[in-house]
Amino acid sequence: KNEVEQSPQNLTAQEGEFITINCSYSVGISALHWLQQHPGGGIVSLFMLSSGKKKHGRLIATINIQEKHSSLHITASHPRDSAVYICAVWSNNDMRFGAGTRLTVKP
Amino acid sequence: NAGVTQTPKFRILKIGQSMTLQCTQDMNHNYMYWYRQDPGMGLKLIYYSVGAGITDKGEVPNGYNVSRSTTEDFPLRLELAAPSQTSVYFCASSYRRVAGELFFGEGSRLTVL
Repeated sequence: KNEVEQSPQNLTAQEGEFITINCSYSVGISALHWLQQHPGGGIVSLFMLSSGKKKHGRLIATINIQEKHSSLHITASHPRDSAVYICAVWSNNDMRFGAGTRLTVKP
Repeated sequence: NAGVTQTPKFRILKIGQSMTLQCTQDMNHNYMYWYRQDPGMGLKLIYYSVGAGITDKGEVPNGYNVSRSTTEDFPLRLELAAPSQTSVYFCASSYRRVAGELFFGEGSRLTVL
């Protein structure tokens, strides 16, 4: 079993829908990242959080340390949000990555 | 500000050939990393460096070598390429080792035939 599990693996939504991507981890962590990988491959960091909640535009990331779970929410989704979203955790001085969630938002 | 720059973006190698993936960053980050990304799998750490002259193995180092002669550059060398090294490679850098935000290059897609 992977130390970082994401669900769902694939997600298709209609433009305007509220989207939730989940991340569960089984190791102790010092921080959790949400990354975005667009078609064409580049990866950018969306959020780094170790507690609570962060918001940037239409994106919201939450983490529950006790439950070892994080969620990434996208409000009013748009086709340009189509990408692979990757959850990664810092644990024991190493970063461990989930396999990613492929999101497709249809117009 | 270019961030992290990787070259080449695409390369096809024959079994047994060698090549170097170049990575340079202009953010004066001490920490640099090489990852590989295989379909359906999370990114795996190949090698990392905590500063010029200092490198260490990650989770999947076999078949690769690195060097770090300057803060800016962190090339990854593939010796005797094998089909198992077909992957997408990402270079990244960060300003601190633990819980530091990672800045990624655009990736290099390597195919070994």
